[in-house]
Amino acid sequence: AQTVTQSQPEMSVQEAETVTLSCTYDTSESDYYLFWYKQPPSRQMILVIRQEAYKQQNATENRFSVNFQKAAKSFSLKISDSQLGDAAMYFCAYRNSPSGSRLTFGEGTQLTVNP
Amino acid sequence: EAGVVQSPRYKIIEKKQPVAFWCNPISGHNTLYWYRQNLGQGPELLIRYENEEAVDDSQLPKDRFSAERLKGVDSTLKIQPAELGDSAVYLCASSLDHISYEQYFGPGTRLTVT
Repeated sequence: AQTVTQSQPEMSVQEAETVTLSCTYDTSESDYYLFWYKQPPSRQMILVIRQEAYKQQNATENRFSVNFQKAAKSFSLKISDSQLGDAAMYFCAYRNSPSGSRLTFGEGTQLTVNP
Repeated sequence: EAGVVQSPRYKIIEKKQPVAFWCNPISGHNTLYWYRQNLGQGPELLIRYENEEAVDDSQLPKDRFSAERLKGVDSTLKIQPAELGDSAVYLCASSLDHISYEQYFGPGTRLTVT
């Protein structure tokens, strides 16, 4: 079974600074997707960024980028120019592809952004 | 475009009572998911529907939990009887189909069992 581990229960960053959230996973599959979701206090999970395992290039979405190390099974999220609105719980998630659709989530990292 | 709608947002019940949660997915989305999120943890899949068919319910505690998705649109998740350990947030999500990578989540129902 696949597992996802987030070893940082809490992180904090100063506004406009950069922060990196860590995630490791375990799988025997070669084809899969990885995701970072954001969950603000409203509880609604919002997709931040995704990475296909077959792509060597790291995904980027505006201020959000990932460092995907397939051999190390590591998938970290970098948030640049942090904003107050980035404060939330961040979850790393895994799913098999192409046919699997079950998401396996990590435990989450609570990000605080200090003004 | 309307997102995934869930109701109620909050529910407080006494143990041994029944409770039901309702979800309306995004229009046109064939795949619907129910997740349970315990405090301080990530969501865990309870059941996945492809249209009206439950295709992945291996994590659903079938002795007390039941779900249905009539006409392949709205879905209801029921617990009867509820136990203290059922206190959690119940999230509904939908996707265009089971291959689509993006799942759209609703705001969830926070259940407290006393």
